[in-house]
Amino acid sequence: QKEVEQNSGPLSVPEGAIASLNCTYSDRGSQSFFWYRQYSGKSPELIMFIYSNGDKEDGRFTAQLNKASQYVSLLIRDSQPSDSATYLCAVNPSGTGNQFYFGTGTSLTVIP
Amino acid sequence: DTGVSQDPRHKITKRGQNVTFRCDPISEHNRLYWYRQTLGQGPEFLTYFQNEAQLEKSRLLSDRFSAERPKGSFSTLEIQRTEQGDSAMYLCASRKLAGGLNEQFFGPGTRLTVL
Repeated sequence: QKEVEQNSGPLSVPEGAIASLNCTYSDRGSQSFFWYRQYSGKSPELIMFIYSNGDKEDGRFTAQLNKASQYVSLLIRDSQPSDSATYLCAVNPSGTGNQFYFGTGTSLTVIP
Repeated sequence: DTGVSQDPRHKITKRGQNVTFRCDPISEHNRLYWYRQTLGQGPEFLTYFQNEAQLEKSRLLSDRFSAERPKGSFSTLEIQRTEQGDSAMYLCASRKLAGGLNEQFFGPGTRLTVL
């Protein structure tokens, strides 16, 4: 079983819509959760992190964490064509010190 | 530009050759990570340094891979006797643990092609 699982997509949404990206993780003791955006040929760029159950909002982005369900999601409101990228979920599982496990990423395309 | 630099940006080599990559982290960051990423996959953890000490290493990391951070600043990743399966993007990230902030800043990566 992979540590972090994401639907690889591709996910297509029209411009202005809400894009919903999902991630599940296997280690129930995981404490830190991250969403990275990666444009083709570029390195990952952190857009959100969340530690506590519930929602965390930053501009058009909202991260949602449900530790009981071992589920973390990213909502992108008012999606823009510039949001088209691969979104990577990363988890810092318990007992691994400073290792971070990444999912395979979800490819998002925002259609103008 | 995150402030993390990597050199070279691209490397083409023949199977069996040795290659070395360099990473210069953000200057005040004491933690440095190496990852490998292949097409369609997320970054895969290779190893981690705190200052000059290599504290963690992936169990999947072949003995052909070695990394150093001799003075706690820049780091090098060497791959000996390269194989075609080593072709990937090699990413370096640095991090400063301050006030619980966990953010890693990634460099632009070194793309390795083994012919």
